[in-house]
Amino acid sequence: DTGVSQDPRHKITKRGQNVTFRCDPISEHNRLYWYRQTLGQGPEFLTYFQNEAQLEKSRLLSDRFSAERPKGSFSTLEIQRTEQGDSAMYLCASSSLAGASYNEQFFGPGTRLTVL
Amino acid sequence: EDQVTQSPEALRLQEGESSSLNCSYTVSGLRGLFWYRQDPGKGPEFLFTLYSAGEEKEKERLKATLTKKESFLHITAPKPEDSATYLCAVQDSGYSTLTFGKGTMLLVSP
Repeated sequence: DTGVSQDPRHKITKRGQNVTFRCDPISEHNRLYWYRQTLGQGPEFLTYFQNEAQLEKSRLLSDRFSAERPKGSFSTLEIQRTEQGDSAMYLCASSSLAGASYNEQFFGPGTRLTVL
Repeated sequence: EDQVTQSPEALRLQEGESSSLNCSYTVSGLRGLFWYRQDPGKGPEFLFTLYSAGEEKEKERLKATLTKKESFLHITAPKPEDSATYLCAVQDSGYSTLTFGKGTMLLVSP
């Protein structure tokens, strides 16, 4: 069990550019979540997948954000036409629907996005 | 709408000085209450899940308890390495996502 991994760990971009982040969940975990965290705040839910199906999206998620999990394994989160308000830590988590750690969400190290 | 309020916002303790962190919540139906630890610049690290009032869980110097309206994270004889932000989150019944509080920043001085 190597844990949840995210890539890149840091991203600096200019306003208006598109960025894409990748998340690799713990193997065999059915559910994958994306959260966003700004300084001094707790993580805020963005969207989640069960296998390859996107089951829920937050009202916070504007049309500029899109997420995919094409084969039910890794996931990507794309932000188009970035704005300075998108600067945050983007966190990925995964959980299992079975086993001893059922329903426990394990987080990755995050991707720190800075929009200049 | 689910709400989670954590207090205090920050807490400074001397090594060995026990204390408690509070998490008050409002949900239509509680599926689970989660505690995480977060170090600066890192993702949250899972600590505990509590599912029903009266439940308690322990891990090293940490003990989490749950009532119908709040949860406490008790820290016994803390060490400097316990310094971190502690996050509380609730999971509403019928949903899989978590609603987090803003966290309590704990600093333990030697």
